[in-house]
Amino acid sequence: GAVVSQHPSRVICKSGTSVKIECRSLDFQATTMFWYRQFPKQSLMLMATSNEGSKATYEQGVEKDKFLINHASLTLSTLTVTSAHPEDSSFYICSARDMVGGTEAFFGQGTRLTVV
Amino acid sequence: GQQVMQIPQYQHVQEGEDFTTYCNSSTTLSNIQWYKQRPGGHPVFLIQLVKSGEVKKQKRLTFQFGEAKKNSSLHITATQTTDVGTYFCARLPGTSGTYKYIFGTGTRLKVLA
Repeated sequence: GAVVSQHPSRVICKSGTSVKIECRSLDFQATTMFWYRQFPKQSLMLMATSNEGSKATYEQGVEKDKFLINHASLTLSTLTVTSAHPEDSSFYICSARDMVGGTEAFFGQGTRLTVV
Repeated sequence: GQQVMQIPQYQHVQEGEDFTTYCNSSTTLSNIQWYKQRPGGHPVFLIQLVKSGEVKKQKRLTFQFGEAKKNSSLHITATQTTDVGTYFCARLPGTSGTYKYIFGTGTRLKVLA
């Protein structure tokens, strides 16, 4: 199946700093990628849809200025958590769909963010 | 988007027992997908169901889509310890065309050896 690489897998940062998470589709192109947040033992909550070459579409309740998304190419989307606080600590996962493939989503490995 | 409810939330079974998780929606679904997430891992696609009443099998896993396309089930026969994980159903809302996947609440399966 298609491969989505997410980096870093784990990051610990201090309160007030920003953290950038990268999501790359390695062997396919994706005009759209998705960013999810997952709290322990809970489901994946869609945060935003990342659109190549245009602004991301955020879900209700997700702060645009807090979670900056950039989708500069057909294979790369980034999520930047700005001015991180302990409540931002979570598991962040990206996914992408192959433009020419089926409708299944391919997920990155996820990023465990801990804000101290 | 409206989240899809899954039951049960948790299930512990003895190895060799069967397991079923149900996915229920109040609205008609265009399709339903199933994913498995191992502890500490990321979701992995299992199957997609599109047709009313559709049944698909993958070895010990049987997936069904309800006649009204409002519910779906995943049944595992004779569970093994490798089946441990959380099973999510996911839907694509309507005809948005964005393939914005909305995940169900998930069922966490624990298999006791």
